[in-house]
Amino acid sequence: EAGVVQSPRYKIIEKKQPVAFWCNPISGHNTLYWYLQNLGQGPELLIRYENEEAVDDSQLPKDRFSAERLKGVDSTLKIQPAELGDSAVYLCASSLDDRAGELFFGEGSRLTVL
Amino acid sequence: KQEVTQIPAALSVPEGENLVLNCSFTDSAIYNLQWFRQDPGKGLTSLLLIQSSQREQTSGRLNASLDKSSGRSTLYIAASQPGDSATYLCALWGNQFYFGTGTSLTVIP
Repeated sequence: EAGVVQSPRYKIIEKKQPVAFWCNPISGHNTLYWYLQNLGQGPELLIRYENEEAVDDSQLPKDRFSAERLKGVDSTLKIQPAELGDSAVYLCASSLDDRAGELFFGEGSRLTVL
Repeated sequence: KQEVTQIPAALSVPEGENLVLNCSFTDSAIYNLQWFRQDPGKGLTSLLLIQSSQREQTSGRLNASLDKSSGRSTLYIAASQPGDSATYLCALWGNQFYFGTGTSLTVIP
């Protein structure tokens, strides 16, 4: 069974440029998460989806970050414009449901903003 | 807000040693607890999931226990191997997942 797939794995951009990350969760998983991870830190939640609905986006910096999950499957996270402080690893995860489900992560997308 | 602490931040042991990693949390109202390992430059790999009604889970050389009343979970690794070298993180589900900052483990051949 395929795991959580993310792309691109690495992205280097100039500040003020836009960037987008894509995530394909495990088949059948209704809940999808985007996390941000800085070096030496644990993941921090950006947004959580239940099917198509964003049920927790309180940590998402909405002035520059946006996300969508069309048809309740794939998801895209966008940053526009990127700032130097956005350099981090962006992790996508999915689970079968929102409570007792085991969490599975993708390999992550490492963003470097110059 | 749930606070999750993992001590020590780093640990170095000789190969073959048994070891315990600790995860402490402040709010006992959790649904489950999950242990992950993370290799450099990689995502998180799920190791063990302990549901709220359970007290422990085992997989191979790994055993994880959960004591909600004391706000603690431990991950026991038996007969450590160099391939166990990684960062180990615990995560709790309350109304969202709360992660610790991890313990970086190095197993010396």
